[in-house]
Amino acid sequence: AQSVTQPDIHITVSEGASLELRCNYSYGATPYLFWYVQSPGQGLQLLLKYFSGDTLVQGIKGFEAEFKRSQSSFNLRKPSVHWSDAAEYFCAVGGDPYGGSQGNLIFGKGTKLSVKP
Amino acid sequence: ETGVTQSPTHLIKTRGQQVTLRCSSQSGHNTVSWYQQALGQGPQFIFQYYREEENGRGNFPPRFSGLQFPNYSSELNVNALELDDSALYLCASSLLETQYFGPGTRLLVL
Repeated sequence: AQSVTQPDIHITVSEGASLELRCNYSYGATPYLFWYVQSPGQGLQLLLKYFSGDTLVQGIKGFEAEFKRSQSSFNLRKPSVHWSDAAEYFCAVGGDPYGGSQGNLIFGKGTKLSVKP
Repeated sequence: ETGVTQSPTHLIKTRGQQVTLRCSSQSGHNTVSWYQQALGQGPQFIFQYYREEENGRGNFPPRFSGLQFPNYSSELNVNALELDDSALYLCASSLLETQYFGPGTRLLVL
């Protein structure tokens, strides 16, 4: 079955500390992987994506993620967290919409990030 | 700002009523996907439209239906509303693999 697991429901970090949000996926075909961020009551903003190539991808707002095929993981990292990073983070997996799959995204349940001053 | 807009922003309906939600795609995008996000959950795929044709559907009953227009804007219609339909409804437009989301419509069913 296709699924995304975000093991941490809620994480609290101090401002300036490093951050790693975990994501594990199960997908039968070549995965397209995404991280989105959602502020309260808002839509989803794309942070970064991985399709192929270099397994370390850079995104907006200083975020990066590393794809590890052997571990079926796509963890999100940031070296120094800012108070404005407090939000909910969603990992998602999809297939190649031009390779026979439907291109819909499967989301994890999200990780809520709180930042202590 | 993604260029994807949705209307209305909030909506209150009663059980059994029907509702129509609207989405305008980002310029140049020919694919629209709709998602339902219940409180405390990740978005769940409802369906996708590509060039005015349904191009995939998630595990939602037929009372959830949609349309895509020649300008690639889209509607989501829900008939016979149930209390569990209360959620944030998100629209996403795409041209290739990446979906860009609108701000959502918050639906409350009483």
